[in-house]
Amino acid sequence: EAGVVQSPRYKIIEKKQPVAFWCNPISGHNTLYWYLQNLGQGPELLIRYENEEAVDDSQLPKDRFSAERLKGVDSTLKIQPAELGDSAVYLCASSLAGHTDTQYFGPGTRLTVL
Amino acid sequence: ELKVEQNPLFLSMQEGKNYTIYCNYSTTSDRLYWYRQDPGKSLESLFVLLSNGAVKQEGRLMASLDTKARLSTLHITAAVHDLSATYFCAGGDYGGSQGNLIFGKGTKLSVKP
Repeated sequence: EAGVVQSPRYKIIEKKQPVAFWCNPISGHNTLYWYLQNLGQGPELLIRYENEEAVDDSQLPKDRFSAERLKGVDSTLKIQPAELGDSAVYLCASSLAGHTDTQYFGPGTRLTVL
Repeated sequence: ELKVEQNPLFLSMQEGKNYTIYCNYSTTSDRLYWYRQDPGKSLESLFVLLSNGAVKQEGRLMASLDTKARLSTLHITAAVHDLSATYFCAGGDYGGSQGNLIFGKGTKLSVKP
């Protein structure tokens, strides 16, 4: 069974540029998460989807970050414009039976903002 | 709000030795997870502990949960180099339909010959 797929794996951009990350969850997993992981830290939740609905986006900086999950499968996370402090790893995860079920993580996208 | 603290944050071990990683959490948590992360890789779920006194073992790793002490431990027996990785514990902070996993900062384990 394929795991959570993310692309790109690495992205280098200049500040003020836009950037987008894509995630394909494990087949059949209705719950999808985007996390931010800074160096030396644990992941922190940005947004959680149940199917196509964003049910917890309280930690998403909405002035520059946006996300969508059209059709309740793939998801895209966008930053516009990027700032130096956005350099981090962006992780996508999915779970089968809701937000209390085990989460399976993708390999992440490492973003460097210059 | 749930807070999760791990210690130590860095651990250098010799092969064949035993050691324990500690995970303290601040408030009641429905469940406690342990994840492993290799450099540049995704987090891999190791254990989920659901109740007081729960103990799970896989190979050289054993995890336990004491909900009264708000403490989970990950014990490493006779460490081998392949166990070198960063280990995270995460507590479930679920309030109704909201809430999520709260992760500790991770323990970077290095096993040396």
